[in-house]
Amino acid sequence: GQQLNQSPQSMFIQEGEDVSMNCTSSSIFNTWLWYKQDPGEGPVLLIALYKAGELTSNGRLTAQFGITRKDSFLNISASIPSDVGIYFCAGRRGIQGAQKLVFGQGTRLTINP
Amino acid sequence: NAGVTQTPKFQVLKTGQSMTLQCAQDMNHEYMSWYRQDPGMGLRLIHYSVGAGITDQGEVPNGYNVSRSTTEDFPLRLLSAAPSQTSVYFCASSLGLTNEKLFFGSGTQLSVL
Repeated sequence: GQQLNQSPQSMFIQEGEDVSMNCTSSSIFNTWLWYKQDPGEGPVLLIALYKAGELTSNGRLTAQFGITRKDSFLNISASIPSDVGIYFCAGRRGIQGAQKLVFGQGTRLTINP
Repeated sequence: NAGVTQTPKFQVLKTGQSMTLQCAQDMNHEYMSWYRQDPGMGLRLIHYSVGAGITDQGEVPNGYNVSRSTTEDFPLRLLSAAPSQTSVYFCASSLGLTNEKLFFGSGTQLSVL
């Protein structure tokens, strides 16, 4: 099935650094979601985006819906140890239901104190 | 508020054994689903349900059965486990099929020897 391409696959940064990751597709999506998975836990929704060009923040996290509608971006400012985990993007095309959500393979974030 | 509860957390099976992964939600969500998570891949949908008595196949349904007798519970059955079913399994729910904001359980790590 179709999958989204997330980049980078893994990141190793120092505490306090800013983080940028992205998610791309060959298809147009109408909804983009960003999830975070802590070690040993299930994904938790961070941000949902519904409009091309939309920029939405959740604390130190900011996500953008790409203007081409084929990509989305997530930035984390001033990283802290609890930001460690795997970040997943997910997209939905048109008015399809939740069963048509497509997930990226994840970006694993590791922070050196 | 417990959210989505999955049991067991860990399970080891021998090839050919059967077992049921339990999932329960207390949010009165109509939509429930099962995903598997494998290294380097995004979450892949196994089966989903839009309400009690209604189930349907996802992207990777072979080897798995589901039923939905109540709104709260959505068990996943492996009738004859195979090594290819070694994975981490997540149950997720949302208010309805058109609501893409999924709430995930904490996962079941299954190993089939």
